[in-house]
Parts: sequence; structure tokens; C-alpha cells
Amino acid sequence: DAKTTQPPSMDCAEGRAANLPCNHSTISGNEYVYWYRQIHSQGPQYIIHGLKNNETNEMASLIITEDRKSSTLILPHATLRDTAVYYCIVRVPNYGGSQGNLIFGKGTKLSVKP
Amino acid sequence: NAGVTQTPKFQVLKTGQSMTLQCAQDMNHEYMSWYRQDPGMGLRLIHYSVGAGITDQGEVPNGYNVSRSTTEDFPLRLLSAAPSQTSVYFCASSYSISVADEQYFGPGTRLTVT
Repeated sequence: DAKTTQPPSMDCAEGRAANLPCNHSTISGNEYVYWYRQIHSQGPQYIIHGLKNNETNEMASLIITEDRKSSTLILPHATLRDTAVYYCIVRVPNYGGSQGNLIFGKGTKLSVKP
Repeated sequence: NAGVTQTPKFQVLKTGQSMTLQCAQDMNHEYMSWYRQDPGMGLRLIHYSVGAGITDQGEVPNGYNVSRSTTEDFPLRLLSAAPSQTSVYFCASSYSISVADEQYFGPGTRLTVT
């Protein structure tokens, strides 16, 4: 089962910041938080990942709480093309003897409205 | 780079037929995997490979076989298709299985079994 909890859906006005929350209260010290998104049933697209510190790239920012039990993905200026399902994933170190496989939950459907 | 490519894009099978879904990547990635996605659900891991000649089962492996004879290719075989295998199939790859490596996904194959 996925180790994260996300709201099923959110709305955001075009041009405003979209803040997508994720709870991962059982995260272990060596597990990364990953964010992917899926647009119109295309293949998931990598957004960003982090371990402890906040991270920023050209797509988004990732804010991880000090206790690492939750995080927020921030899209600073959402556009209509950001409408997608966003998945927060804790990268499980050991899954059936493997390491690093992604375990997807149902994600948050973000709708960006004009 | 073409990235991760999948063929075919669409396929309709009759119950009991067999087929192979093709996946190839040109990024010299060691890790490759197959996921399925059912309507309204997240992705579920079927099989994965950490390198040529090495494969292992994921969360939902029954009814599927894989092999990895080259670094570039990771075909998924359905030996006797069943309606329960109607789904969208995604292939993914990454440089390694390290939790620090992002995964790249293909565009998907939409399979219907009647």
C-alpha cells in the first residue's frame, strides 16, 4: 500500500500558486519523498524529490516539514497545462527484497481554472 | 534521445490470446519496470529489472512474464490474456534503482481484452 495520504482533488486559479499537501507520517529516515504528475493518462512525469531539505527546480518547490511527516508541493504560477493528477510517493527502500520501486497511491487531481 | 518508447499504443485481444508489449529506452538505464493502471487507480508494479539478465516480481505479477536480454529492451508478455488484464500499461526506466534516481515513463499501451 502507498505510504502517503493526499486529498483526492483540489482547484487552483490560473496564475496563482498551487499548494498540494501530502502526509507521510510513517516515513523512515532514509526514504525520499518524490512527486510525479500524470496529464491526460499520459505516462507519469517526474517533478521533484527530496530527503530532508526543501528543494526547488524549474517546475516546482518541495517543502518538507522538519519532522518529515508531511510535505507540500508548490507550483508557483499554475497554468491550465498544470491540470493533472499529482502523486506524492515515498520511495520504499525494501519492497519484496528490492529497493527503490515506486509505490503509487491515487494522487490528487488538480484542476487549474481560468 | 527518444527516451522510453512503447509499442503498440493500442491493442485489442480476445481472451486466451497471447501478445508481447514492447518497451525500449536509449538512455543506457540499468533499471526498467512495468506498471499497469486501471481506471481511477494509481499505477501498480508488475515486474522490474535491475540490469540485463536480472528480473523480479512486483506487486501484481500473475499472468505476465518478462525477460531482459539487453540493457535497452524489456518486453512484457501476456501468455493467455484475460479480461482482468484490460488496462493501460506503462514502462519506466532509470539510471539505477537508487532512491535518488528519477524514473522516466513511456507513453503507455492501452490494452483491451474481450
